[in-house]
Amino acid sequence: DSGVTQTPKHLITATGQRVTLRCSPRSGDLSVYWYQQSLDQGLQFLIQYYNGEERAKGNILERFSAQQFPDLHSELNLSSLELGDSALYFCASSLPPSEAHFGSGTRLTVV
Amino acid sequence: AQRVTQPEKLLSVFKGAPVELKCNYSYSGSPELFWYVQYSRQRLQLLLRHISRESIKGFTADLNKGETSFHLKKPFAQEEDSAMYYCALSGPGGNKLVFGAGTILRVKS
Repeated sequence: DSGVTQTPKHLITATGQRVTLRCSPRSGDLSVYWYQQSLDQGLQFLIQYYNGEERAKGNILERFSAQQFPDLHSELNLSSLELGDSALYFCASSLPPSEAHFGSGTRLTVV
Repeated sequence: AQRVTQPEKLLSVFKGAPVELKCNYSYSGSPELFWYVQYSRQRLQLLLRHISRESIKGFTADLNKGETSFHLKKPFAQEEDSAMYYCALSGPGGNKLVFGAGTILRVKS
């Protein structure tokens, strides 16, 4: 167990809908990273937060947004969902300069 | 630009054979390099980081700044090593941790 908790584990929703994925980092970790893993795209970096502030941005679509709350948990919001958004979404956390630890992921299926 | 390249999508070796998973990177500055392993699309687990210079499960990796490489090696592959291996890079302080495309290692008996 890495100590990083992601909920829900599975999510099935229809195109056009909006969903929220939640990540609770390891105790003491200040940085949270979000990734999308699909079969054809590998592990794509979406966004990173550090102590509530956006730290780095990757290939995150405008339909997607994220935030990190004062208690350091983070949420990834995906809206106007398309079939192509079906993927595993991973969250990781770290206390820099230590390495990142990953959650078990949320499997999103858009139908 | 910050980039990690893993040129092989699949590496298939026999049990007991040496393994080398290639990783090249592009980064202006002093990066931090990592290897993560993923079994059956489960949680990614840290295997190695270049700062620690340790050997985990018989794997080692050396950072070669001249060749901008961080290849993962193991002298004798075992069947339980079969997994997806990702090379990753971050800036100082863990900024923007990005991953290569991954290499599937398949160890045949």
